[in-house]
Amino acid sequence: DTGVSQNPRHKITKRGQNVTFRCDPISEHNRLYWYRQTLGQGPEFLTYFQNEAQLEKSRLLSDRFSAERPKGSFSTLEIQRTEQGDSAMYLCASSPTSVWSSGNTIYFGEGSWLTVV
Amino acid sequence: EDQVTQSPEALRLQEGESSSLNCSYTVSGLRGLFWYRQDPGKGPEFLFTLYSAGEEKEKERLKATLTKKESFLHITAPKPEDSATYLCAVQAAGTGFQKLVFGTGTRLLVSP
Repeated sequence: DTGVSQNPRHKITKRGQNVTFRCDPISEHNRLYWYRQTLGQGPEFLTYFQNEAQLEKSRLLSDRFSAERPKGSFSTLEIQRTEQGDSAMYLCASSPTSVWSSGNTIYFGEGSWLTVV
Repeated sequence: EDQVTQSPEALRLQEGESSSLNCSYTVSGLRGLFWYRQDPGKGPEFLFTLYSAGEEKEKERLKATLTKKESFLHITAPKPEDSATYLCAVQAAGTGFQKLVFGTGTRLLVSP
């Protein structure tokens, strides 16, 4: 168990460019989440996958954002035509599916910092 | 709408000076209340999940408790390495997926 892995850790891009972040969840975790965090705030939910199915999307996820999880393994989050307001840390998290509430543990990765200049 | 309020926003302690962080919440039925620790520039590190009022969990110098309206994170004899932001989040009950709703955190600084 190597934890949730995110790449790249840091990305600086010019406004209008596209960026893609990758997340490798903990093996055998079939639930995967993306959150966004800005300075001084708590993480905000963006989207959720169970296996390869994207089951939930926040209103924060504009049309410029797209997330995929092919084959239910790693996931990518793409931001098209980046804007300065997209600057934030993008966090990926994963958890196992558990019938019992006592198994409800959600682990976060180290995050991918995006700076749009 | 589910809400989480954490207090204080920032807390400065001397090494060994015990204290408590507060997390007040409103949620339409609670599935779980989560505590995380976050170091600068890093992702949240999982600490505890609490499920029902009266439940308590401990890990080293940290102890989390839960009532129907709030949770406390008690820090006993803190050390400088406990300095971090502590985040609280709630997950509402219900069928299917329920997102975590986070507070803005308490920034803890422990001085030697």
